[in-house]
Amino acid sequence: GQQLNQSPQSMFIQEGEDVSMNCTSSSIFNTWLWYKQDPGEGPVLLIALYKAGELTSNGRLTAQFGITRKDSFLNISASIPSDVGIYFCAGRAGGTSYGKLTFGQGTILTVHP
Amino acid sequence: DVKVTQSSRYLVKRTGEKVFLECVQDMDHENMFWYRQDPGLGLRLIYFSYDVKMKEKGDIPEGYSVSREKKERFSLILESASTNQTSMYLCASSSSLAERGPQHFGDGTRLSIL
Repeated sequence: GQQLNQSPQSMFIQEGEDVSMNCTSSSIFNTWLWYKQDPGEGPVLLIALYKAGELTSNGRLTAQFGITRKDSFLNISASIPSDVGIYFCAGRAGGTSYGKLTFGQGTILTVHP
Repeated sequence: DVKVTQSSRYLVKRTGEKVFLECVQDMDHENMFWYRQDPGLGLRLIYFSYDVKMKEKGDIPEGYSVSREKKERFSLILESASTNQTSMYLCASSSSLAERGPQHFGDGTRLSIL
């Protein structure tokens, strides 16, 4: 099946640092979503992007839908220990997809106090 | 808030057993999904359903089947469990009325096959 290429695979940062991760695809998507998974829990939606070029913020998080519709990035500013977790990008193609998503491999974020 | 509930957080079964994983959602969503999550591989779609009694194969359906007899419940079945099916299994649901609507996930079932 189709896969998204998400990078980096893992990050080890100090509290207060900014974080950037991205996803690329060989196919065009109509929707990009960013999820976070805390240890022992299911993924929770952080940001949804629906339009090429769209830049959306949610607190310290900012995400962008790439102009080519084949990529997206997520930035976290001034990281804190509770940012620890796995971050997933997900894309949805157009047409009758029944809401199917394609997920990236995930970025494991570790924040040192 | 959408609530997706998976029946077990942890499950240990033996090779060859028939295993049932249950998922229930309370938001009247039409679409339901089963994924498995393995380190470095992200979430891979096993099966999904867009209506009662309707099912479609995802990317890795081999060794699995599903059942959707009621709108709120979607079951994943391992017909004859094998050790390579040890994994985290995640259920999700979404509304078809909002094509842009995101998927909402349960907390997962960590399944070990011995």
